[in-house]
Parts: sequence; structure tokens; C-alpha cells
Amino acid sequence: GAVVSQHPSWVICKSGTSVKIECRSLDFQATTMFWYRQFPKQSLMLMATSNEGSKATYEQGVEKDKFLINHASLTLSTLTVTSAHPEDSSFYICSARDVEWQSNYGYTFGSGTRLTVV
Amino acid sequence: SQQGEEDPQALSIQEGENATMNCSYKTSINNLQWYRQNSGRGLVHLILIRSNEREKHSGRLRVTLDTSKKSSSLLITASRAADTASYFCASNQAGTALIFGKGTTLSVSS
Repeated sequence: GAVVSQHPSWVICKSGTSVKIECRSLDFQATTMFWYRQFPKQSLMLMATSNEGSKATYEQGVEKDKFLINHASLTLSTLTVTSAHPEDSSFYICSARDVEWQSNYGYTFGSGTRLTVV
Repeated sequence: SQQGEEDPQALSIQEGENATMNCSYKTSINNLQWYRQNSGRGLVHLILIRSNEREKHSGRLRVTLDTSKKSSSLLITASRAADTASYFCASNQAGTALIFGKGTTLSVSS
């Protein structure tokens, strides 16, 4: 079945540095990928929609210059948290939509990345 | 853009009891899905119900969908300690991102 690999699973970085999170669809092509953020004891909030070969669409309140998204191929999207601060500490999860909609539910999630900014 | 509201926010039951969680959404949907998330972990897809379906079963799970009320329920029968987790509904319109509800935290004690 459809598999999405997200890397790294956890990362600790110093305040002011940048962190890149990768999301790869391993056995299918994903024209669209989604990035979510989840703070402790809260739900998943959609940050942005990433389309292969075009600019990402960001949700209201999400700073596009801070959360850089690149979707250069049908199997890879990256989220870079630039100049990270402690308030960016969160659980980031990607989701990919099977371009042929072959999976039972069409969306496959990565296992998430726990970012801690110190 | 949070769409779903879930009820209750937290639920504590004993093993063997049934657990019912409700979810409401705001706009028309293509389908609605339920996910489970263990503390600090990724999502596990449980079940999908399409907008033209009213009820669906999968093992100990039963999901209903009422599009007139824009609501869904998830019933877990004969709960086990291993069912302890957070449960989220998520819905979408065709081709758009899944929007998650606020979630219900289920605690099953043995």
C-alpha cells in the first residue's frame, strides 16, 4: 500500500537555526502534499498545501517566509523551518495524496517529526 | 482552518465498555475519516465513510454519518486498554486537504 516516509522523526535545534523536514512518497506519485502542525494536546492544524512544481498555498496565519515548502518532484516535499524559535517546537506531519487515488482513502500520512527548539 | 468539533473532549471508561465519540463539521464533504493517535505518535487510519453512506463497520468499530446534521459518530465496542489514544475525525471536499476535528482523548482502564 501507499507509504510516506518522513524524516527526521525527531530533531533538536538551537534557536535561530533552520531545520529541514522531508516527506517522501515511496511507492506512489504525489502531486499534492499537505503539511500539518500539532501542538501538545491539540489537534492537527493544516499549515499548507504543496503542489508539485508550483508554489505552496499557505493557510491563514502561517508565515510563508518562515515555513518554506518545496515540492520539486512527485515524490518529495520538504518543509524548512527557518530561524526557529522555541514557540515553533511542535509535531509536524506531512500527508500525500495519491495522484491516481488508488489507496482506499487517498491520503497517506508520514510518521511525523517532533521538533524541539532550545 | 479547523472544521470539526468533537464531543466529548475526554472520555474515561472501563475495559469491556463501549466508547462513543461524536464529530460535527461545517461544510459539505466528500468523505469523513476517523484516525487514532497514540501519545506523541503518528496517525493510524481507522475507517472512512463516504458522503453517500450512512453507516459502516470494521471489526469493533462502527461509524455513522448524518449529512443532514453534518455529524458523525465513532463507536468502539468492547473496549480494551490498548484502545487508549486520541481519536480524530477528518473530512474534506474533493481533492482538498483533510481538516481535523479537535479530537477525543479516550482512556480505557483495566
